[in-house]
Amino acid sequence: GESVGLHLPTLSVQEGDNSIINCAYSNSASDYFIWYKQESGKGPQFIIDIRSNMDKRQGQRVTVLLNKTVKHLSLQIAATQPGDSAVYFCAEKWNNQGGKLIFGQGTELSVKP
Amino acid sequence: GAGVSQSPSNKVTEKGKDVELRCDPISGHTALYWYRQSLGQGLEFLIYFQGNSAPDKSGLPSDRFSAERTGGSVSTLTIQRTQQEDSAVYLCASSFQPNTEAFFGQGTRLTVV
Repeated sequence: GESVGLHLPTLSVQEGDNSIINCAYSNSASDYFIWYKQESGKGPQFIIDIRSNMDKRQGQRVTVLLNKTVKHLSLQIAATQPGDSAVYFCAEKWNNQGGKLIFGQGTELSVKP
Repeated sequence: GAGVSQSPSNKVTEKGKDVELRCDPISGHTALYWYRQSLGQGLEFLIYFQGNSAPDKSGLPSDRFSAERTGGSVSTLTIQRTQQEDSAVYLCASSFQPNTEAFFGQGTRLTVV
């Protein structure tokens, strides 16, 4: 099916370090992007979103960066904690094709205590 | 309810039987999405509703799959003559407007034996 690609399928970090999860999106017409966190056996949980008129947005311990020139999205997690261990998905809104939300394959983040 | 509700949470069915999966979106949310997630994989887009209409049905894998939404609220995903490859977690999400965060239910785990 349609999907957004990710650079790194797995990421292992030490507790307290910063994590960076990358995503390459495919549709230059997309103007809305979301990061989700999915823990085992649960549905995806919204983390943070960003619109294409911005290049950076900050939340609590998380920052999303958007580079439209190279169609790249990243999620930065500060002071990574064991509870951050999960699979992270980026998603883009295909506004030129009815508005469907297309997801990437996911990056598994593992936090070592 | 407070969140997106999906039922049943688990469904085991025999090959060849029809199944119906239900999604109750957050009250007032106009956009509704269905996705399929196989074990360890990303989210495969199936169909998207804006109100009662479906601008994009391109993700439905075959004509055995159909979905409807009535009253701008509850949606049902029907799979006819189920096959073993239909086994997956089916996730539903809703958002207030198309370009706002989409919230997910916990999913229905479908197993075809």
